[in-house]
Amino acid sequence: EIVMTQSPATLSVSPGERATLSCRASQRVGSNLAWFQQKPGQAPRLLIYGASTRATGVPARFSGSGSGTEFTLTISSLQSEDFAVYYCQQYNHWPVYTFGQGTKLEIK
Amino acid sequence: QITLKESGPTPVKPTQTLTLTCTFSGFSLNTAGVGVGWIRQPPGKALEWLGFIFWDDDKRYRPSLKSRLTITKDTSKNQVVLTLSNMDPVDTATYYCAHLVVESSGLLCDYWGQGILVPVSS
Repeated sequence: EIVMTQSPATLSVSPGERATLSCRASQRVGSNLAWFQQKPGQAPRLLIYGASTRATGVPARFSGSGSGTEFTLTISSLQSEDFAVYYCQQYNHWPVYTFGQGTKLEIK
Repeated sequence: QITLKESGPTPVKPTQTLTLTCTFSGFSLNTAGVGVGWIRQPPGKALEWLGFIFWDDDKRYRPSLKSRLTITKDTSKNQVVLTLSNMDPVDTATYYCAHLVVESSGLLCDYWGQGILVPVSS
C-alpha cells in the first residue's frame, strides 16, 4: 500500500498570506494526485486533481504542482474561509487509493 | 447535478453487521467509466479508503477488510450498498460514499455524500 505523508501537520498562517502544503508518496503515482478541503462537520470537497487541475468552482488562489512522489498545494492569499484541513490522495494504485493524514491550516 | 446520500441504521453493536445504502442522483451506474466508492473517517482522524464498485460490477476492496466488506449495486434504484460484518468499536467512523469518474489512469472522487456517523457500542 502506498503511504502518503503530508507536512506540516499544522500550519499557522495569517489571512492574506501564502500557504504551502506538501504531500509525499512512498512510490511514484504519476500525476494521479488529488487535494481535498474539509471543514468541521462537512464532507471533503475536491479542490485539485491531476496534481494541478482545479476542480469546477475552485478559486484561482488554489494551485497544485508536482508529479511522481512530491506534490504541493499553494493557497496564494488566504481568505477566512480557507482555514480547514487539507488532504492529499493518490488514485494511481488500487485497490487502496490512500489519503494522507491531513494538514490543518489554522489562523495565526 | 450529482448528489449522494448515505443512510442506514445506527448505532451498531459489536459483532453486528453494518449495512449502509448510498442513494444517488445525477448519474447512472450503467454508464461506462463511472463508479461509487466508500471512504470512512474515525472521529478526529484521517480519511480511509474502503473500496468501490464500478459500472461493470468490478469491485475492489481494502485488503485488510476484504473478508468483512461487500459492496453491491442496484442500478434500477440508483443505490449502492455497503455491508461490513463483525463490527468492532474501532470501526466507529463517519462513512462517506462518493461518485467516481475515470481520470487519467485512475478513479477520482469528485462528488461526496454528506456522510453518516456510525458509532459501534454495546
